Amino acid sequence: DAGVIQSPRHEVTEMGQEVTLRCKPISGHDYLFWYRQTMMRGLELLIYFNNNVPIDDSGMPEDRFSAKMPNASFSTLKIQPSEPRDSAVYFCASSRTYYEQYFGPGTRLTVT
Amino acid sequence: RKEVEQDPGPFNVPEGATVAFNCTYSNSASQSFFWYRQDCRKEPKLLMSVYSSGNEDGRFTAQLNRASQYISLLIRDSKLSDSATYLCVVNIPYSGAGSYQLTFGKGTKLSVIP
Repeated sequence: DAGVIQSPRHEVTEMGQEVTLRCKPISGHDYLFWYRQTMMRGLELLIYFNNNVPIDDSGMPEDRFSAKMPNASFSTLKIQPSEPRDSAVYFCASSRTYYEQYFGPGTRLTVT
Repeated sequence: RKEVEQDPGPFNVPEGATVAFNCTYSNSASQSFFWYRQDCRKEPKLLMSVYSSGNEDGRFTAQLNRASQYISLLIRDSKLSDSATYLCVVNIPYSGAGSYQLTFGKGTKLSVIP
């Protein structure tokens, strides 16, 4: 299996620009998660989907963040407008059940 | 008090040593416990689940102490390849009835030295 695929792997953008992160989960996994990791706050759950439906978005920092899952094989996390404090590594993970999550390689976002 | 707390380390141990990490959690109603491993600049990977009776996987042993609200990870005969950050993960109830959320600790860094 190819594992969870994320793109881009690195993104450098200027404050105020829109950023779109992409994720392809492992085929057959019903759950998809978006996380953000920083040195200060560690790994934080932003949102997760079950069967393409958003279940819990309580971790989404504010309205500038939005996530979609139009089908079982694709999800996006969008930040608009981006701010320097959004700089972090963003991970996508998928799983068959809620547990035993498989993480993608992450997108390292730098907002200047 | 943080929901999931870990000693950040680093733990620097020689090859062949035995090392143990603890992780405490604040909510006694927490269910399901895991250890993940994260190599430098890589994604977290599931190392093992933690069962109530304790469980072992090769050189790794995980324990759960519900009374004191902590889980532990013991690594025997440390290898250079064990160098990584070990993340404690707890399924913690929140807000609505029956709602849980996997919460990650910030991790404990282990360096195994030749």
